[in-house]
Amino acid sequence: GAVVSQHPSRVICKSGTSVKIECRSLDFQATTMFWYRQFPKQSLMLMATSNEGSKATYEQGVEKDKFLINHASLTLSTLTVTSAHPEDSSFYICSARTSGAKETQYFGPGTRLLVL
Amino acid sequence: TQLLEQSPQFLSIQEGENLTVYCNSSSVFSSLQWYRQEPGEGPVLLVTVVTGGEVKKLKRLTFQFGDARKDSSLHITAAQPGDTGLYLCAGARGSYKLIFGSGTRLLVRP
Repeated sequence: GAVVSQHPSRVICKSGTSVKIECRSLDFQATTMFWYRQFPKQSLMLMATSNEGSKATYEQGVEKDKFLINHASLTLSTLTVTSAHPEDSSFYICSARTSGAKETQYFGPGTRLLVL
Repeated sequence: TQLLEQSPQFLSIQEGENLTVYCNSSSVFSSLQWYRQEPGEGPVLLVTVVTGGEVKKLKRLTFQFGDARKDSSLHITAAQPGDTGLYLCAGARGSYKLIFGSGTRLLVRP
């Protein structure tokens, strides 16, 4: 299947700083990528839909000014957590959607963020 | 409010036993996917079901999509320790956004 990578896999930062997470589709182009957040022992919650060349669409309750999304190319989307606080500590997972007859979402390995 | 409810939330069984996980919703989905997730990793797609009443088999795993496309089940025969993980169902609607279920954590004891 298609491969999606995330970088970094783990990050620890101080409260008030910003953190950027990259999501790359390695062997296919993705016009649409999705960002999810997963708290311990919980399911994935969709945060936003990232569209190449246009603004991201955020889910209800997700602050667009706090979680900045940039999808500048067909293989890269970035999520920046601005002015991070301890409650932003979570597992952030991206997915990339293939196009064509069999559209499928492939998930990245996730990024664990810990805000001290 | 969780659109997709999974049951049970947690299941601990002995190796060799059979089990069924349920995924229920009051909403209709164009397709439904099942994933398995290991700790610290992203979800891995197991299967996609599209047609109401569809049954798909993947070795010891049997997936069924309800006739009304509102519910699904995952049945595992002769579970093995390697089946341990978090099982997630996810429903898709026209925009291809996935709505994930609440998850079922499976532990298969050797």
